[in-house]
Amino acid sequence: AQSVSQHNHHVILSEAASLELGCNYSYGGTVNLFWYVQYPGQHLQLLLKYFSGDPLVKGIKGFEAEFIKSKFSFNLRKPSVQWSDTAEYFCAVTTLMEYGNKLVFGAGTILRVKS
Amino acid sequence: DAGVTQSPTHLIKTRGQQVTLRCSPKSGHDTVSWYQQALGQGPQFIFQYYEEEERQRGNFPDRFSGHQFPNYSSELNVNALLLGDSALYLCASSYENRGAETQYFGPGTRLLVL
Repeated sequence: AQSVSQHNHHVILSEAASLELGCNYSYGGTVNLFWYVQYPGQHLQLLLKYFSGDPLVKGIKGFEAEFIKSKFSFNLRKPSVQWSDTAEYFCAVTTLMEYGNKLVFGAGTILRVKS
Repeated sequence: DAGVTQSPTHLIKTRGQQVTLRCSPKSGHDTVSWYQQALGQGPQFIFQYYEEEERQRGNFPDRFSGHQFPNYSSELNVNALLLGDSALYLCASSYENRGAETQYFGPGTRLLVL
C-alpha cells in the first residue's frame, strides 16, 4: 500500500526565514503529487501539484516543490516565510490507476511563523 | 463559482445512532470522494463515487456507505456510530480525467460521537 511520510510534525520559524518541508512517498510506479494547506479556520486548499514535466513546480503564494523521482521525494520550499504562512501543510500522492484515484496523505506539518 | 459545500458543519450524535452527511461538488465536477480526518492526522480515504457508483473504497467497514445522485451531489452514511468515528469528514470533488484529476475540498463536517 502507498504511504506518505512528512518528516516534521511541528516547525517554528521566524519571519523571513527559509522553509523546507520534507515529503517522501512509497510507491514504485507513476504518481501525481500534491501539497495542500489548511490555514486556521479554513478548509484544505491546493497549494501546488505535479503531474509530469518539469520536476520543479511553482504554486501559489511563492511556494515551490521539487519532485526527485530517485529519492521518492516532493519537498516543499519557500525562500522567505511570512506570518500569514502559519498553517498546517499536507503532502499527498495519487497513483495512476485506470480510474478512481484516491489521495494518500501524510500526517501533516504544522508551521508556526513568529512575527 | 461555488466551491464544494458540505452540510451540516457540526453534528453531535450518541453511540449506536446513524448519521448522514451531505456534499455538493464544485460546478462542473462529476466525481466525489470522502475522507475522514481524525485529530492530528492527515485525511484518510473512505470511498469515491463516479456515475452514481462507488468505484474505489478505502479501509473502512461496511458501516460506512454512500450515495451519489444524478446531479453529482453525494451523501455519506455511517451506521451504528462508535466513539472512534468522531472526526472531521471531508468531501472532495474532481472532474474525471483518467488519472489527472485534482481534488478540491469542502470545509468538512465535524462529527462528535458521545
